Amino acid sequence: AQKITQTQPGMFVQEKEAVTLDCTYDTSDPSYGLFWYKQPSSGEMIFLIYQGSYDQQNATEGRYSLNFQKARKSANLVISASQLGDSAMYFCAMRDRNTDKLIFGTGTRLQVFP
Amino acid sequence: DAMVIQNPRYQVTQFGKPVTLSCSQTLNHNVMYWYQQKSSQAPKLLFHYYDKDFNNEADTPDNFQSRRPNTSFCFLDIRSPGLGDAAMYLCATSGRDLPYEQYFGPGTRLTVT
Repeated sequence: AQKITQTQPGMFVQEKEAVTLDCTYDTSDPSYGLFWYKQPSSGEMIFLIYQGSYDQQNATEGRYSLNFQKARKSANLVISASQLGDSAMYFCAMRDRNTDKLIFGTGTRLQVFP
Repeated sequence: DAMVIQNPRYQVTQFGKPVTLSCSQTLNHNVMYWYQQKSSQAPKLLFHYYDKDFNNEADTPDNFQSRRPNTSFCFLDIRSPGLGDAAMYLCATSGRDLPYEQYFGPGTRLTVT
């Protein structure tokens, strides 16, 4: 069965510093997609970044980058130059290719302080 | 801008009184999802539509029903809300192209009194 594990319930980072949010996954499917979503206190889930299992390079989107280590089955999110507005819950997720469903991790609450 | 819209943003209902939450999308996506999210937890999928094909999760209570009258609209009906149904309800859509990311609406926060 597919599974996403986020071992950090909460993280603190100072403004302008970089922070890494951990995500490991388990799947027997050779083709898969990994997603990171941000959920501010308002509740909306915001898509941040995607990594496909066959992508040769690590995904990047602005200040977000994905440290994809396939052999270790990890897909850590790196946020550079943290901003106060980055304070939110962050979910790592995997798409089940057969069902179109997203399998979520338990999330990491990030707090950015001045 | 293309988007996923949920109404209302906040809904208060009484114990046992039926309630309907609505979702609409302007993305023309073929897949629509309903999630339930309780405090500090990950979203839990209730059901989803692939076009008109309805897919119910095995552990979704019978109390929860859904309708998708057309591509743009999807409704979540809670027939007899209990106190345990108080949660954030998120609607999402995804399309036919890679990477099939899901686009979420702002959610409806349901309170049951």
